[in-house]
Amino acid sequence: EAQVTQNPRYLITVTGKKLTVTCSQNMNHEYMSWYRQDPGLGLRQIYYSMNVEVTDKGDVPEGYKVSRKEKRNFPLILESPSPNQTSLYFCASSPGTGENIQYFGAGTRLSVL
Amino acid sequence: GQNIDQPTEMTATEGAIVQINCTYQTSGFNGLFWYQQHAGEAPTFLSYNVLDGLEEKGRFSSFLSRSKGYSYLLLKELQMKDSASYLCAVVDSNYQLIWGAGTKLIIKP
Repeated sequence: EAQVTQNPRYLITVTGKKLTVTCSQNMNHEYMSWYRQDPGLGLRQIYYSMNVEVTDKGDVPEGYKVSRKEKRNFPLILESPSPNQTSLYFCASSPGTGENIQYFGAGTRLSVL
Repeated sequence: GQNIDQPTEMTATEGAIVQINCTYQTSGFNGLFWYQQHAGEAPTFLSYNVLDGLEEKGRFSSFLSRSKGYSYLLLKELQMKDSASYLCAVVDSNYQLIWGAGTKLIIKP
C-alpha cells in the first residue's frame, strides 16, 4: 500500500530535550516536505527536499533541522525543543513540486512542556 | 506578500448544497488545489484546477477564475461525513504551495 509513515504519532517532551520525528514514504517520490499546523494558521512549511541531499528552508525553519540521506526518509529534528514548537506536524511527499498531488502522513502531535 | 483568504467556518444542513470560496493574491499562479482534512487527520486531495472553469467530480465540484483570483468548492447532497476542514492551496511562480488557513464546515442534521 502506498503510504507516508510518520512516527511517533504523539509525543510529550520537555524543553531542551532533542527529538526526532521520522518520515518514510514507499512511493519513490522525489519531493518531501514538513509542515506544522496550528489553529487559525493553516499549514506552514518548515523544510522541503527536492531530492536526496537537497534540502531547503520553508516559511518557518527556525529551531528545526532535516536531512535527506535516502530517497524514502526525511526525518525532522528538533535539537532543543521549546514550548512554541508545540504543534501538529505533517510530513508529505509527491512526485515533484507544483501540480503534483501531495500525500500526507497521519501527523505527529507534539507537546513541549 | 502572498495571501489566500477563506472563510473560517461555515455551517450547512445535511442534504443541502454549500459553496466554499477562496480568493488569492500570489506571486504567479500555476494551479490551485483543494484538500479535505477531517479533525486530527491528514489532508487528502480533492481537486486541482489550472484552467478557468468548473471541474466536476461526483458530489464535489471546483471552479476557478484566474482573472479574478478566485476559486470555489461546491459540495452537493451534503452528508454528515463531509464535516471537515477544506484547505485551498495555490501553486506560485516558484512551484511552491501557498496554503490558506482552511474553512471548517459543520454539517447539521
